[in-house]
Amino acid sequence: EAGVAQSPRYKIIEKRQSVAFWCNPISGHATLYWYQQILGQGPKLLIQFQNNGVVDDSQLPKDRFSAERLKGVDSTLKIQPAKLEDSAVYLCASSLVTSNEQYFGPGTRLTVT
Amino acid sequence: GNSVTQMEGPVTLSEEAFLTINCTYTATGYPSLFWYVQYPGEGLQLLLKATKADDKGSNKGFEATYRKETTSFHLEKGSVQVSDSAVYFCALSAIRAGNMLTFGGGTRLMVKP
Repeated sequence: EAGVAQSPRYKIIEKRQSVAFWCNPISGHATLYWYQQILGQGPKLLIQFQNNGVVDDSQLPKDRFSAERLKGVDSTLKIQPAKLEDSAVYLCASSLVTSNEQYFGPGTRLTVT
Repeated sequence: GNSVTQMEGPVTLSEEAFLTINCTYTATGYPSLFWYVQYPGEGLQLLLKATKADDKGSNKGFEATYRKETTSFHLEKGSVQVSDSAVYFCALSAIRAGNMLTFGGGTRLMVKP
Protein backbone atom coordinates (compact mmCIF):
# COMPACT_ATOMS: atom_id res chain seq x y z
CA GLU A 1 0.00 0.00 0.00
CA ALA A 2 1.42 3.37 -1.03
CA GLY A 3 1.91 5.89 1.74
CA VAL A 4 1.12 9.59 1.88
CA ALA A 5 2.96 11.41 -0.90
CA GLN A 6 4.12 15.01 -0.68
CA SER A 7 5.97 17.30 -3.02
CA PRO A 8 8.26 19.07 -3.24
CA ARG A 9 10.49 17.73 -0.47
CA TYR A 10 12.43 20.98 -0.17
CA LYS A 11 11.71 24.56 -1.16
CA ILE A 12 13.67 27.76 -0.68
CA ILE A 13 11.97 31.08 -1.40
CA GLU A 14 12.42 34.72 -0.52
CA LYS A 15 10.04 36.51 1.80
CA ARG A 16 6.95 37.92 0.12
CA GLN A 17 7.05 35.21 -2.55
CA SER A 18 4.35 32.56 -2.83
CA VAL A 19 4.68 28.79 -2.55
CA ALA A 20 2.43 25.75 -2.88
CA PHE A 21 2.69 22.26 -1.45
CA TRP A 22 0.93 19.17 -2.71
CA CYS A 23 -0.29 16.11 -0.85
CA ASN A 24 -1.76 12.81 -2.05
CA PRO A 25 -3.23 10.78 0.82
CA ILE A 26 -3.45 7.03 1.18
CA SER A 27 -6.15 5.64 -1.09
CA GLY A 28 -9.50 5.49 0.67
CA HIS A 29 -8.56 7.91 3.44
CA ALA A 30 -11.29 10.52 3.58
CA THR A 31 -9.67 12.64 6.29
CA LEU A 32 -6.64 14.77 5.48
CA TYR A 33 -4.60 17.00 7.79
CA TRP A 34 -1.93 19.65 7.25
CA TYR A 35 0.48 20.30 10.12
CA GLN A 36 3.26 22.86 10.52
CA GLN A 37 6.39 21.72 12.37
CA ILE A 38 8.79 24.47 13.32
CA LEU A 39 12.32 23.30 14.08
CA GLY A 40 12.58 21.92 17.60
CA GLN A 41 8.82 21.82 18.17
CA GLY A 42 6.00 19.35 17.78
CA PRO A 43 3.70 19.58 14.77
CA LYS A 44 0.71 21.92 15.01
CA LEU A 45 -2.50 21.43 13.06
CA LEU A 46 -3.24 23.98 10.36
CA ILE A 47 -6.31 22.50 8.72
CA GLN A 48 -8.36 19.31 8.63
CA PHE A 49 -10.49 18.12 5.72
CA GLN A 50 -13.05 15.36 5.53
CA ASN A 51 -13.58 14.54 1.87
CA ASN A 52 -13.60 18.01 0.28
CA GLY A 53 -15.06 19.84 3.29
CA VAL A 54 -13.15 21.73 5.97
CA VAL A 55 -13.59 20.31 9.48
CA ASP A 56 -11.23 22.64 11.35
CA ASP A 57 -9.18 25.59 10.09
CA SER A 58 -9.12 27.57 13.32
CA GLN A 59 -5.29 27.58 13.44
CA LEU A 60 -4.76 28.49 9.79
CA PRO A 61 -3.45 32.08 9.30
CA LYS A 62 -6.05 32.88 6.69
CA ASP A 63 -4.55 36.20 5.69
CA ARG A 64 -1.68 34.35 4.00
CA PHE A 65 -2.41 30.62 4.05
CA SER A 66 -5.02 28.79 2.00
CA ALA A 67 -5.76 25.14 1.36
CA GLU A 68 -8.08 23.19 -0.83
CA ARG A 69 -9.10 19.63 -1.52
CA LEU A 70 -11.31 19.99 -4.53
CA LYS A 71 -12.15 16.38 -5.40
CA GLY A 72 -11.78 14.94 -1.94
CA VAL A 73 -8.43 13.31 -2.72
CA ASP A 74 -5.33 15.47 -3.36
CA SER A 75 -4.81 18.65 -1.43
CA THR A 76 -2.80 21.82 -1.95
CA LEU A 77 -1.56 24.21 0.75
CA LYS A 78 -0.51 27.67 -0.37
CA ILE A 79 1.31 30.52 1.34
CA GLN A 80 1.12 34.01 -0.16
CA PRO A 81 3.05 36.09 0.75
CA ALA A 82 5.58 34.09 2.77
CA LYS A 83 7.22 35.45 5.91
CA LEU A 84 10.47 34.44 7.56
CA GLU A 85 8.54 32.79 10.40
CA ASP A 86 6.88 30.40 7.92
CA SER A 87 10.15 28.46 7.68
CA ALA A 88 9.15 24.99 8.85
CA VAL A 89 8.36 21.46 7.72
CA TYR A 90 4.82 21.11 6.39
CA LEU A 91 3.42 17.67 7.06
CA CYS A 92 0.42 16.06 5.46
CA ALA A 93 -1.37 13.18 7.16
CA SER A 94 -4.41 11.08 6.32
CA SER A 95 -6.71 8.68 8.09
CA LEU A 96 -9.87 6.68 7.68
CA VAL A 97 -12.97 8.44 8.93
CA THR A 98 -13.51 5.65 11.45
CA SER A 99 -9.96 5.66 12.81
CA ASN A 100 -7.85 7.92 15.01
CA GLU A 101 -4.60 6.64 13.48
CA GLN A 102 -2.97 9.17 11.20
CA TYR A 103 -0.36 8.31 8.60
CA PHE A 104 2.17 10.99 7.76
CA GLY A 105 3.97 11.89 4.58
CA PRO A 106 7.69 12.76 4.50
CA GLY A 107 6.98 16.49 4.70
CA THR A 108 8.08 19.54 2.74
CA ARG A 109 10.88 21.57 4.29
CA LEU A 110 10.34 25.27 3.53
CA THR A 111 13.07 27.84 4.04
CA VAL A 112 12.11 31.51 3.68
CA THR A 113 15.08 33.87 3.29
CA GLY B 1 -7.75 23.17 25.70
CA ASN B 2 -5.78 19.98 25.18
CA SER B 3 -2.03 19.96 25.77
CA VAL B 4 0.88 17.53 26.02
CA THR B 5 4.09 18.03 27.99
CA GLN B 6 7.11 15.78 27.55
CA MET B 7 10.58 15.82 28.97
CA GLU B 8 13.08 17.94 27.15
CA GLY B 9 16.03 16.34 25.49
CA PRO B 10 18.39 15.40 24.30
CA VAL B 11 18.49 12.13 26.16
CA THR B 12 21.83 10.39 25.67
CA LEU B 13 22.16 6.71 26.58
CA SER B 14 24.58 3.91 26.00
CA GLU B 15 23.44 0.88 24.04
CA GLU B 16 21.42 -1.61 26.12
CA ALA B 17 20.49 1.03 28.70
CA PHE B 18 16.93 1.43 30.01
CA LEU B 19 14.90 4.25 28.48
CA THR B 20 12.12 6.33 29.99
CA ILE B 21 10.66 9.41 28.31
CA ASN B 22 8.04 11.14 30.42
CA CYS B 23 4.79 12.44 28.97
CA THR B 24 1.85 14.05 30.74
CA TYR B 25 -1.30 15.47 29.23
CA THR B 26 -4.25 17.76 29.87
CA ALA B 27 -7.51 16.99 28.13
CA THR B 28 -11.23 17.02 28.59
CA GLY B 29 -12.99 13.71 28.23
CA TYR B 30 -11.17 10.53 27.33
CA PRO B 31 -8.47 11.09 24.73
CA SER B 32 -6.49 8.47 22.87
CA LEU B 33 -2.75 8.64 23.46
CA PHE B 34 0.08 8.04 21.00
CA TRP B 35 3.81 7.91 20.65
CA TYR B 36 5.22 8.86 17.26
CA VAL B 37 8.85 8.51 16.19
CA GLN B 38 10.73 10.61 13.65
CA TYR B 39 13.97 9.17 12.33
CA PRO B 40 16.47 11.56 10.72
CA GLY B 41 15.23 12.76 7.36
CA GLU B 42 11.97 10.84 7.58
CA GLY B 43 8.34 11.58 8.39
CA LEU B 44 6.49 10.74 11.58
CA GLN B 45 5.70 7.10 12.19
CA LEU B 46 3.19 5.78 14.69
CA LEU B 47 5.09 3.79 17.30
CA LEU B 48 2.27 2.76 19.64
CA LYS B 49 -1.07 3.90 20.98
CA ALA B 50 -3.58 3.37 23.79
CA THR B 51 -7.25 4.27 23.66
CA LYS B 52 -8.47 3.90 27.24
CA ALA B 53 -7.27 3.96 30.83
CA ASP B 54 -4.87 1.17 31.84
CA ASP B 55 -4.33 0.12 28.22
CA LYS B 56 -0.72 -0.70 27.40
CA GLY B 57 0.55 0.05 23.91
CA SER B 58 3.62 -1.82 22.74
CA ASN B 59 5.73 -2.11 19.59
CA LYS B 60 9.37 -2.91 18.75
CA GLY B 61 10.20 -3.39 22.45
CA PHE B 62 8.73 -0.01 23.43
CA GLU B 63 5.84 0.19 25.89
CA ALA B 64 3.61 2.89 27.37
CA THR B 65 0.66 2.59 29.77
CA TYR B 66 -2.31 4.99 29.78
CA ARG B 67 -2.50 6.24 33.38
CA LYS B 68 -5.60 8.33 33.85
CA GLU B 69 -5.01 8.96 37.55
CA THR B 70 -1.67 10.64 36.83
CA THR B 71 -2.60 11.81 33.29
CA SER B 72 0.59 10.23 32.00
CA PHE B 73 1.77 8.03 29.13
CA HIS B 74 5.48 7.46 29.72
CA LEU B 75 7.49 5.64 27.03
CA GLU B 76 9.84 2.86 28.15
CA LYS B 77 12.22 0.40 26.57
CA GLY B 78 14.30 -2.11 28.45
CA SER B 79 17.36 -2.11 26.20
CA VAL B 80 17.92 0.60 23.61
CA GLN B 81 19.88 0.18 20.40
CA VAL B 82 21.79 2.67 18.29
CA SER B 83 19.03 2.35 15.70
CA ASP B 84 16.53 3.79 18.21
CA SER B 85 18.19 7.20 17.91
CA ALA B 86 15.39 9.51 16.79
CA VAL B 87 12.98 12.17 18.01
CA TYR B 88 9.99 10.85 19.96
CA PHE B 89 6.68 12.72 20.14
CA CYS B 90 3.87 12.11 22.58
CA ALA B 91 0.44 13.08 21.29
CA LEU B 92 -3.25 12.88 22.06
CA SER B 93 -6.41 12.97 20.04
CA ALA B 94 -10.01 13.45 21.05
CA ILE B 95 -13.14 12.65 19.10
CA ARG B 96 -14.62 16.01 20.12
CA ALA B 97 -11.70 17.70 18.40
CA GLY B 98 -12.18 15.78 15.17
CA ASN B 99 -9.35 13.40 16.08
CA MET B 100 -6.75 16.07 15.35
CA LEU B 101 -3.46 15.34 17.08
CA THR B 102 -2.04 17.58 19.78
CA PHE B 103 1.71 16.96 20.09
CA GLY B 104 4.28 17.51 22.77
CA GLY B 105 7.51 19.27 21.88
CA GLY B 106 9.45 16.08 21.15
CA THR B 107 12.40 14.41 22.88
CA ARG B 108 15.57 13.63 20.98
CA LEU B 109 17.15 10.31 21.92
CA MET B 110 20.78 9.63 21.11
CA VAL B 111 22.10 6.12 21.71
CA LYS B 112 25.86 5.61 21.71
CA PRO B 113 27.51 2.26 20.93
